Amino acid sequence: QVQLVQSGTEVKTPGSSVKVSCKASGGTFSSHSFSWVRQAPGQGLEWMGRISPIFGTANYAQKFQGRVTITADELTSTAYLELSSLRSEDTAVYYCARSYGGNWECDYWGQGTLVSVSS
Amino acid sequence: QSALTQPRSVSGSPGQSVTISCTGTSSDVGGYNYVSWYQQHPGKAPKLIIYDVNKRPSGVPGRFSGSKSGNTASLTISGLQAEDEADYYCCSYAGTYTLVFGGGTKLTVL
Repeated sequence: QVQLVQSGTEVKTPGSSVKVSCKASGGTFSSHSFSWVRQAPGQGLEWMGRISPIFGTANYAQKFQGRVTITADELTSTAYLELSSLRSEDTAVYYCARSYGGNWECDYWGQGTLVSVSS
Repeated sequence: QSALTQPRSVSGSPGQSVTISCTGTSSDVGGYNYVSWYQQHPGKAPKLIIYDVNKRPSGVPGRFSGSKSGNTASLTISGLQAEDEADYYCCSYAGTYTLVFGGGTKLTVL
């Protein structure tokens, strides 16, 4: 049974950074890819980037280039999203999602982590 | 990487069929057979219902089907049921190891 369990709610001030974790269980972590997708209140889904641990490579949406870093720790089967220079518009629920191998569809999703940015 | 275009809302009565369109460009939807569809109920994480344009994951009812023509992909839900009321998002591979989502469509079952 594949499960993705994310870290809890974060409250941040503008200009700070946040790091959200996503611990995977029930599969071979390094064999899969992990995307981060966010959803602002009342808005749609927005893909931010993805990492393939087996290749150690991450790719990002152009919009977030330079502000986002996605990493993975094979020892703890955990993927991370770090977003810097936070602004109020970054307030959203952040989801991690797994893709089997190098596939592009996201077959398992975490429960979501609310990041609230406010002064 | 502009978001794919979906209608903001569609509706149908129980038992009817509805189709949700997802329009992109030759750089995403039209260029690859990597279109997926997700169903999201309020307050829940998205759920994969179609991948690779027209494949259904195990456990997804056969009422859900996908297709593609040119730069437009479509999701058809046949035999609408009350529990199908949700938001639906398309997603496509967009080259250079990136993905792009559609803006989402709210399905109302009348």
